[in-house]
Amino acid sequence: QKEVEQDPGPLSVPEGAIVSLNCTYSNSAFQYFMWYRQYSRKGPELLMYTYSSGNKEDGRFTAQVDKSSKYISLFIRDSQPSDSATYLCAMSSYGNNRLAFGKGNQVVVIP
Amino acid sequence: DSGVTQTPKHLITATGQRVTLRCSPRSGDLSVYWYQQSLDQGLQFLIQYYNGEERAKGNILERFSAQQFPDLHSELNLSSLELGDSALYFCASSLPGQGRETQYFGPGTRLLVL
Repeated sequence: QKEVEQDPGPLSVPEGAIVSLNCTYSNSAFQYFMWYRQYSRKGPELLMYTYSSGNKEDGRFTAQVDKSSKYISLFIRDSQPSDSATYLCAMSSYGNNRLAFGKGNQVVVIP
Repeated sequence: DSGVTQTPKHLITATGQRVTLRCSPRSGDLSVYWYQQSLDQGLQFLIQYYNGEERAKGNILERFSAQQFPDLHSELNLSSLELGDSALYFCASSLPGQGRETQYFGPGTRLLVL
């Protein structure tokens, strides 16, 4: 079983829709949870960062972490064509800075 | 622009060859991380250096090695290349400190082994 599971299926949504992405993980030591956005032929850029369980909101983006279920989510409200990218979840544990990534979801927002 | 630079952008080589990928971290960042991204495996952590010393190792093959120099730039050496080594190689850097440590990724080097 991989440490981080993210269904890599592509996702196409109409502009203005809510995009919902999620990851599950198996390592209970993970405490830091991140979502990275990666545009085609670019490096990943940090989008959201959450420590332990809870919700975090930043503009149109909301990240949720449920440590009891080992499940994290990212919601994008009022999606825009510029949100079209691959979204990767990533996690790390205290004292261990290496990031464990999900495989990523390619999101396409159709105008 | 993350401030992390990687050279070259693209590299095409043959099986059995050796290549060197270079990374310059953001100004002030002491840690450098190397990751490999392939279609089937996703982004995989290879190795971390902190201020010139190896700090952590991931799924790095014995044919691969890395180092971080006194000026903090890092090089990833890949030898006896195989077709399966074709991938995107990313470098990331961070400034370790208390609490949150954000890794900033470079644009990557696309390696194609023929």
